[in-house]
Amino acid sequence: AQSVTQLGSHVSVSEGALVLLRCNYSSSVPPYLFWYVQYPNQGLQLLLKYTSAATLVKGINGFEAEFKKSETSFHLTKPSAHMSDAAEYFCAVSDLYNQGEKLIFGQGTELSVKP
Amino acid sequence: SQTIHQWPATLVQPVGSPLSLECTVEGTSNPNLYWYRQAAGRGLQLLFYSVGIGQISSEVPQNLSASRPQDRQFILSSKKLLLSDSGFYLCAWTGGYYGYTFGSGTRLTVV
Repeated sequence: AQSVTQLGSHVSVSEGALVLLRCNYSSSVPPYLFWYVQYPNQGLQLLLKYTSAATLVKGINGFEAEFKKSETSFHLTKPSAHMSDAAEYFCAVSDLYNQGEKLIFGQGTELSVKP
Repeated sequence: SQTIHQWPATLVQPVGSPLSLECTVEGTSNPNLYWYRQAAGRGLQLLFYSVGIGQISSEVPQNLSASRPQDRQFILSSKKLLLSDSGFYLCAWTGGYYGYTFGSGTRLTVV
């Protein structure tokens, strides 16, 4: 069964610093992988997705993630953190069935950005 | 364009009372629909999904049920709420593969 593990439930960075949020997956088949962001009391918004095309995926708000099969990782990065990036981030893997997909989510990483 | 609506945004209910949360999708047909729950400080747990009218799959045995009376309507219900049902409930849809679109969520507090 597919699963994801997000390393670190809380990450704190200074404004302008590199953001690195870690995600490792477990999948018996080539995975589809996603990163979502959630602001307080809101739904989840798709940041980016990997669907077996380019291994470096660029998303919204300056975020990107690199699929590394050898490491079973899909870490999320952003070169320079902004205060508005403070939110909770979820990594997810797709568990396909014949009529669609179920997304299996990690436990989430809360990102804090210090001025 | 496709939109997803979820209501109410917040709800406070006493233990033992019934529950009905509604989710509707516009601008698409035959979507796959999902209910997730997010407990405080925890990730998202898939509760139910549906690939068509009247077709409901349950992921976790619990005090809740789901129904899909119309193509673009998905309802989450309970006959008697428990304290443990408190959480943030999210509806989502997909037209096939490659990720979901989420509603804005319902914050349920059972007191």
